[in-house]
Amino acid sequence: EPEVTQTPSHQVTQMGQEVILRCVPISNHLYFYWYRQILGQKVEFLVSFYNNEISEKSEIFDDQFSVERPDGSNFTLKIRSTKLEDSAMYFCASSAPGLREDTQYFGPGTRLTVL
Amino acid sequence: LAKTTQPISMDSYEGQEVNITCSHNNIATNDYITWYQQFPSQGPRFIIQGYKTKVTNEVASLFIPADRKSSTLSLPRVSLSDTAVYYCLVALSGTYKYIFGTGTRLKVLA
Repeated sequence: EPEVTQTPSHQVTQMGQEVILRCVPISNHLYFYWYRQILGQKVEFLVSFYNNEISEKSEIFDDQFSVERPDGSNFTLKIRSTKLEDSAMYFCASSAPGLREDTQYFGPGTRLTVL
Repeated sequence: LAKTTQPISMDSYEGQEVNITCSHNNIATNDYITWYQQFPSQGPRFIIQGYKTKVTNEVASLFIPADRKSSTLSLPRVSLSDTAVYYCLVALSGTYKYIFGTGTRLKVLA
C-alpha cells in the first residue's frame, strides 16, 4: 500500500538555524500539505500546495516558513530561523484530486526539537 | 470563527459501541468530513470519510445530519487496540484550509 514518507524522523537544531523537513508524497497525488502538532495539542494546518504554488496558508505559516517541490517526488518545508516555539511534530500529507479521492494521507512525522 | 469541537475524552469497555461527535459550525459546503485515529508519536491514520447521511466501511460508520454542522464516528465493537485519540477534519468554508477537531482521547478498558 502506498504511503507518505518523511525524513528525518527526528531533527534537533539550535535556535536561529535553518531546517528543511522532507516528505515524499504518494506518487499519483497532486495536493500536498504540512501540519504541525505541538506536544499534547491538536494537529494544526500550516499550508496546502497544488500545481507548484501555495493554495492556502494559516496564520502560523509566516515569512519564516516556505514550501517547495524541488523535483517530481519531494515536498519540503523550510523554517528559515527556528524559534523555541517551533518545536513540534511536523506532518506531511497528500491527496489526489477528484470527488471521492480527496482523502489526505499522512506521513509518520518529523519531530523537531529547537534548543 | 470556525470552531471544530469534540469531547475531550471517553472511556469504554471492550466490545462496546463508541460514538464520538464532532461539531463543525463553518464547514465548506462541497468538502468531505474525514475522521482519523492517532497513536502517540505517529501520524493521523485515516478511518472514514463522508459527505452526508451515513457511510460505513469495515472499521467504522459515519453519520452526518443534513445541515452537516456535526458528524458522529461510530466504532462498533471496540478493542484495547482502539485506545487512541480520534480527530475529525473539515475544510473551512470557502477555503482550502483544513481544521482538525480538538480530538477525543478514547480509552478502552478490559
